[in-house]
Amino acid sequence: AQSVAQPEDQVNVAEGNPLTVKCTYSVSGNPYLFWYVQYPNRGLQFLLKYITGDNLVKGSYGFEAEFNKSQTSFHLKKPSALVSDSALYFCAVRLPRGITGGGNKLTFGTGTQLKVEL
Amino acid sequence: DGGITQSPKYLFRKEGQNVTLSCEQNLNHDAMYWYRQDPGQGLRLIYYSQIVNDFQKGDIAEGYSVSREKKESFPLTVTSAQKNPTAFYLCASSDRVAVGETQYFGPGTRLLVL
Repeated sequence: AQSVAQPEDQVNVAEGNPLTVKCTYSVSGNPYLFWYVQYPNRGLQFLLKYITGDNLVKGSYGFEAEFNKSQTSFHLKKPSALVSDSALYFCAVRLPRGITGGGNKLTFGTGTQLKVEL
Repeated sequence: DGGITQSPKYLFRKEGQNVTLSCEQNLNHDAMYWYRQDPGQGLRLIYYSQIVNDFQKGDIAEGYSVSREKKESFPLTVTSAQKNPTAFYLCASSDRVAVGETQYFGPGTRLLVL
């Protein structure tokens, strides 16, 4: 079984400061990892993904995430937060097709509410 | 302008009534998905379809039904057997041959019970 944990329900950060939203996963094998953002009453927007290769992945809107296999983590980061980054962030994990338990199933964390204040 | 559309944005259901949520995509994706979102619980998979005329149950399929008669359409019916249907419903699609198979989401439908 695969699972994702987002240990913080809410993260508060001042505008201009760096932000980190934490994600850890539990899966057998080499996972695909994703970050999505959701604004109120909207669908999820894809930010970035880790498939293989470089552990530092760059995505949309200046976000990046670092894959750490030994710590089974995939934390989302941004060097300088904006008020407009305030939203709900979801981490998700999936196993590649052809791997036992792999395929379509994307397992989501419970989400972290990011609040960026002036 | 490619994307995924869901309608209606808000839907009200009366006791004992079946309601159908629409999902259409023009991304030429083979795979489509339905998720339910409840506060504090993340997203849970209801049904998914990898090709036309085929679909599989997800983690919480009871009280729901789907069809996949066309590649671009994957409607979800919330039946009267679903006793707690109030939630935000999200449709997604993905390209099965793309690396990583990123799922892209529609804007959602909020279902409320009268």
